[in-house]
Amino acid sequence: QKEVEQNSGPLSVPEGAIASLNCTYSDRGSQSFFWYRQYSGKSPELIMSIYSNGDKEDGRFTAQLNKASQYVSLLIRDSQPSDSATYLCAVGNDYKLSFGAGTTVTVRA
Amino acid sequence: GAVVSQHPSWVICKSGTSVKIECRSLDFQATTMFWYRQFPKQSLMLMATSNEGSKATYEQGVEKDKFLINHASLTLSTLTVTSAHPEDSSFYICSARDRTQTDTQYFGPGTRLTVL
Repeated sequence: QKEVEQNSGPLSVPEGAIASLNCTYSDRGSQSFFWYRQYSGKSPELIMSIYSNGDKEDGRFTAQLNKASQYVSLLIRDSQPSDSATYLCAVGNDYKLSFGAGTTVTVRA
Repeated sequence: GAVVSQHPSWVICKSGTSVKIECRSLDFQATTMFWYRQFPKQSLMLMATSNEGSKATYEQGVEKDKFLINHASLTLSTLTVTSAHPEDSSFYICSARDRTQTDTQYFGPGTRLTVL
């Protein structure tokens, strides 16, 4: 079983819509959770971090964490063509990160 | 803030040669840096954890004698790929842990290595 699982996509959404990305993890001892955005040929860029259950909002992004269900999600509101990228879910435990395979999002103009 | 640089951004070398990649945290001190490798359409795979002033910790399956890591200061870690072969061609990315922000890692721009 993979430590961090994501739907690979591609997820195609129209411009202005909400993109919803999901991630599950296997290690119940995980302490920190991150979403990174990676454009093709580039390195990951941190979008959100979340450490406790509930929602965390930052601009058009909302991260949701449910430790009981071992589930973390990312919502992108008012999706823009520039949001087209691969989104990596990362789970931290004892300062090391485990990454999911990523979900590719395409925003249609 | 939290800027990590990497040099070079790309390198092409002949099989059998060695290549050194530098990773620097520009505006914060990073006691811990990480080296990842990413093959096309795959996720990041952690190769090793580099701690300032001590030996690196390698992940299972990563040859420590092939991938030499040195973390001589709080802002610099280097990865040397020794006796490179075509199968070592990949995107190598470093990250630095900002110890003031728990586990948050900031990534360098990556180094594209092509071994001919």
